[in-house]
Amino acid sequence: DAGVTQSPTHLIKTRGQQVTLRCSPKSGHDTVSWYQQALGQGPQFIFQYYEEEERQRGNFPDRFSGHQFPNYSSELNVNALLLGDSALYLCASSLETVYGYTFGSGTRLTVV
Amino acid sequence: AQTVTQSQPEMSVQEAETVTLSCTYDTSESDYYLFWYKQPPSRQMILVIRQEAYKQQNATENRFSVNFQKAAKSFSLKISDSQLGDAAMYFCAYRSANSGNTPLVFGKGTRLSVIA
Repeated sequence: DAGVTQSPTHLIKTRGQQVTLRCSPKSGHDTVSWYQQALGQGPQFIFQYYEEEERQRGNFPDRFSGHQFPNYSSELNVNALLLGDSALYLCASSLETVYGYTFGSGTRLTVV
Repeated sequence: AQTVTQSQPEMSVQEAETVTLSCTYDTSESDYYLFWYKQPPSRQMILVIRQEAYKQQNATENRFSVNFQKAAKSFSLKISDSQLGDAAMYFCAYRSANSGNTPLVFGKGTRLSVIA
């Protein structure tokens, strides 16, 4: 049973560019959450998608946006990249009625 | 807003010995979940153990156990018979049980080294 799959694993972008990160949830999971983990820090919640809608959002600017597709996969988009956006971006999936989350291995984004 | 504090940035333990990682949290809620996650160099967050706040009994999972003190808002992780594979970052996390799939609130983590 495939777990959470994220792509790409590593990415280097230039300041001001836009980036799209992708996540395929664990089979049977319908909810996808995104977290940003800066170096030496714990993950910070960005937003959560359920039934193709953003249901909850953390304290992140509008430059961070997302999407969920009918097959429950999700994308995280970041516009106008800043150096401070360099981080590990983690995707976590869950089933609506269950409180456990399954995490992917993340995408390491470096902004230069 | 809820906060999670891990006061030990780094810990080390001899192989086969026992180590305890500390975690405190702040919340005004009465119903919530607490978790310990392990993050090895592979970067994937792996659930180690979880505790429901309404349960008084401390959770255990093989060599891993917790000491949950609700009144003190403390949730420590004890690793017994430490193994080399236990070396990783450990994160304590809180989740509200109020409604739906509420997000996790993480501490800053504790880096555990296991000495052979």
